[in-house]
Amino acid sequence: AQTVTQSQPEMSVQEAETVTLSCTYDTSESDYYLFWYKQPPSRQMILVIRQEAYKQQNATENRFSVNFQKAAKSFSLKISDSQLGDAAMYFCAASRGGATNKLIFGTGTLLAVQP
Amino acid sequence: NAGVTQTPKFQVLKTGQSMTLQCAQDMNHEYMSWYRQDPGMGLRLIHYSVGAGITDQGEVPNGYNVSRSTTEDFPLRLLSAAPSQTSVYFCASSRPGTSNNEQFFGPGTRLTVL
Repeated sequence: AQTVTQSQPEMSVQEAETVTLSCTYDTSESDYYLFWYKQPPSRQMILVIRQEAYKQQNATENRFSVNFQKAAKSFSLKISDSQLGDAAMYFCAASRGGATNKLIFGTGTLLAVQP
Repeated sequence: NAGVTQTPKFQVLKTGQSMTLQCAQDMNHEYMSWYRQDPGMGLRLIHYSVGAGITDQGEVPNGYNVSRSTTEDFPLRLLSAAPSQTSVYFCASSRPGTSNNEQFFGPGTRLTVL
């Protein structure tokens, strides 16, 4: 079974600064995917970034990047040049490949951005 | 494309009442699923379906029924609502086997059971 752990219930960052959100996971699968989702107060789940486990290169999407450490089963999210609109709950999630696309979520990190 | 739609957005029920949460997607996705979100617990999988006519249980299936008669629709039924089912419910869909395995989420339904 897969498990996902987010050990930081809340984080705070100054506008324009950089913040890193931590995530660790456990899985026995060889084919799996990792995700970071953003949930603003509107409660819509928005995909921020994804990482295929077979890819060694860390994924990046504009100001968002990940540090994927496969051996350590770590998948942290770095947000550069933080903006007020980045304030939200962030969830780390994992799924295995194949037809059964079940997502396992962490408990979330609430990010506050200070002006 | 409307993506994934859910109705209603809000619902208040009394203990013992039944209701159906609707979910539809127009992306021809084979995979659909229901999650519930509770404070401090993230999202947990209730039921999922890998295609029309095929459903299976997730992590927290008790008290919920599902069916999948078409590719587009995946309703979630509460047969006898309980206060423990007060939560925010999300429907999601995806096409497994694609390069990114991304799931698309609906806007959610906030359910309160009194």
